[in-house]
Amino acid sequence: AQSVTQPDIHITVSEGASLELRCNYSYGATPYLFWYVQSPGQGLQLLLKYFSGDTLVQGIKGFEAEFKRSQSSFNLRKPSVHWSDAAEYFCAVGADGNKLVFGAGTILRVKS
Amino acid sequence: GAVVSQHPSWVICKSGTSVKIECRSLDFQATTMFWYRQFPKQSLMLMATSNEGSKATYEQGVEKDKFLINHASLTLSTLTVTSAHPEDSSFYICSARVTSAYEQYFGPGTRLTVT
Repeated sequence: AQSVTQPDIHITVSEGASLELRCNYSYGATPYLFWYVQSPGQGLQLLLKYFSGDTLVQGIKGFEAEFKRSQSSFNLRKPSVHWSDAAEYFCAVGADGNKLVFGAGTILRVKS
Repeated sequence: GAVVSQHPSWVICKSGTSVKIECRSLDFQATTMFWYRQFPKQSLMLMATSNEGSKATYEQGVEKDKFLINHASLTLSTLTVTSAHPEDSSFYICSARVTSAYEQYFGPGTRLTVT
C-alpha cells in the first residue's frame, strides 16, 4: 500500500534562511505527488504537484520540489523563508481509488 | 478557480443530537468529493469518498450509520454526524476532485465540538 513519511515533525528556521522539508513515499509505479500547506484552523492549500515530466516542480509562494525516483523522495524547498510561511506542511501521494495518502505533517516555525 | 466552501465553519452541539456539515464546490462541478477528519496535531484521515448520485464509500473503521454522507448534486456534498458524542469532536475537512486524477481542492474545514 502507498505510504508517505515526513521524518521531521517540527522544523525551525530563521527568517530569510533556506528551507527543505523532507518527504519519502512508498509506491510501486510512477507516483502522483503533492505538497499542501495548512495554517492553523484552516483547510489545505495546494502548493505544487508532480505528475510526470520535469522532476523539478515550481509551485506557489516561491516553493519548489524535486522528485527523485532513486531516493523515493519529493522534498520541498524554498530559498528564503518569510515569517508568513509558518504553518504545517503535508506531503501526499495519489493512491488507489483516486485517494490521497498524507504524511504526518511537518510544522514549520520561523524565528525572526 | 477551484474554490471549495464548507458550512458551518464552527459548530457546538449537545451530545445525542445530529449535525450536518455542507461542502460546496463554488466554481466547478465535482463528481467526487472526499471527507476527512483531523485530530489536533495529526494528519488527515480519510473517512469516505462521495460520488454524485451514488452511495458513499467508507474507509475501514468508519461507521457509515453514524457519519451519513449525501452527494445529491455536482456541487454539494453533506456529512451528517448522527447522535454525536464528545469523541466525535474534531476538525472535519472536505475536498473535491478536479479534472486531474488525485488532484483535490480542500474546503476551509468545520470545527465540531460536542458537549
